[in-house]
Amino acid sequence: NAGVTQTPKFRVLKTGQSMTLLCAQDMNHEYMYWYRQDPGMGLRLIHYSVGEGTTAKGEVPDGYNVSRLKKQNFLLGLESAAPSQTSVYFCASSYAWGGYEQYFGPGTRLTVT
Amino acid sequence: SQQGEEDPQALSIQEGENATMNCSYKTSINNLQWYRQNSGRGLVHLILIRSNEREKHSGRLRVTLDTSKKSSSLLITASRAADTASYFCATDARNTGGFKTIFGAGTRLFVKA
Repeated sequence: NAGVTQTPKFRVLKTGQSMTLLCAQDMNHEYMYWYRQDPGMGLRLIHYSVGEGTTAKGEVPDGYNVSRLKKQNFLLGLESAAPSQTSVYFCASSYAWGGYEQYFGPGTRLTVT
Repeated sequence: SQQGEEDPQALSIQEGENATMNCSYKTSINNLQWYRQNSGRGLVHLILIRSNEREKHSGRLRVTLDTSKKSSSLLITASRAADTASYFCATDARNTGGFKTIFGAGTRLFVKA
């Protein structure tokens, strides 16, 4: 039982490049989330999904796209990376919302130069 | 702006002492959760308190919630060096079109051996 896994762990991109971050969970959770963490700002929700085939915008969605084609996977895409997207990205999942803990992956450290 | 704001931003104590961290929020909530993050790792859930609860305990952790003051506190008793980490509060609140889970900026706790 691996919980929530994220790939890659580290990545350096040049401005304008694209990439996809992969999140996988083996807990059969319906809800999945993508956050970014910047120094002194806590976690901010980028996008989330309440089930297979669904996605919704969070607090800071601009510049990102997501897909949830399979229940266990949640992909975060950056189509044209910008230096402002340098951050640590965390994926999380939960059974439901409202009274259920979120399980977090180990994070992906992304640097855009 | 962040819903949950932790206070203090940083706290340094000796092993064996108690550590108290506070979280304030602005709007009505359904639940409040506390998470811990060790350096370079994902967040780990510690405890959840519902809006109709005033106090919860889990091992050396005690959480209180005062909905009239829109604040919560996390007390770690008899701290250990292994408690060194960042601690975040997260508030769950329903809004039009869905829900919001908002994390605060965190309190960095350093426990000296």
